Amino acid sequence: GAVVSQHPSRVICKSGTSVKIECRSLDFQATTMFWYRQFPKQSLMLMATSNEGSKATYEQGVEKDKFLINHASLTLSTLTVTSAHPEDSSFYICSAMKNSGRASYNEQFFGPGTRLTVL
Amino acid sequence: GENVEQHPSTLSVQEGDSAVIKCTYSDSASNYFPWYKQELGKRPQLIIDIRSNVGEKKDQRIAVTLNKTAKHFSLHITETQPEDSAVYFCAATGGNEKLTFGTGTRLTIIP
Repeated sequence: GAVVSQHPSRVICKSGTSVKIECRSLDFQATTMFWYRQFPKQSLMLMATSNEGSKATYEQGVEKDKFLINHASLTLSTLTVTSAHPEDSSFYICSAMKNSGRASYNEQFFGPGTRLTVL
Repeated sequence: GENVEQHPSTLSVQEGDSAVIKCTYSDSASNYFPWYKQELGKRPQLIIDIRSNVGEKKDQRIAVTLNKTAKHFSLHITETQPEDSAVYFCAATGGNEKLTFGTGTRLTIIP
């Protein structure tokens, strides 16, 4: 199998606090993980690419100092939302890339998502 | 970068009828086109995918077609059932392996 977990599944925090979300690949190693954000009734928007042992690559318009990403091992990436505000409330989903052996593309496996609500 | 457009945004079909969702992409280098089904509050689930060296792929009631020349691909669901009701997303990726998602189609199957 290829299972990806996220923790926590739901979090409610006060404005100005920081929240850490963990993404783990449970039965495979993932050199690359991706973080997405999904607002209600909208599509998944890629926030950043997380690479084990190196700095994350952020998409245009995503503040790297606000959304801190750490990929310290081949099975764990964390996203920290710093100084959270109500507009950061969203569904955050990670995915982990498993090497399928095909040269053209490595399949991504998605975590169950984390619902963040900032009061 | 890649841009993926998806139509329609909502689709209602009678149970047993077919549903078709269409997507277009902009980057001719894209070579992998997955389709995801997402239920409310859940993760996207891969339901079928197609690579650029194939024109059509079928898995039971689900099929995907790809027209590389026109840069569009479509999802076909036949004999629809109530459990097919969900939001469906197409996506595309090229050499950088980053997925670009379409805007989604909310499919409702009417019993």
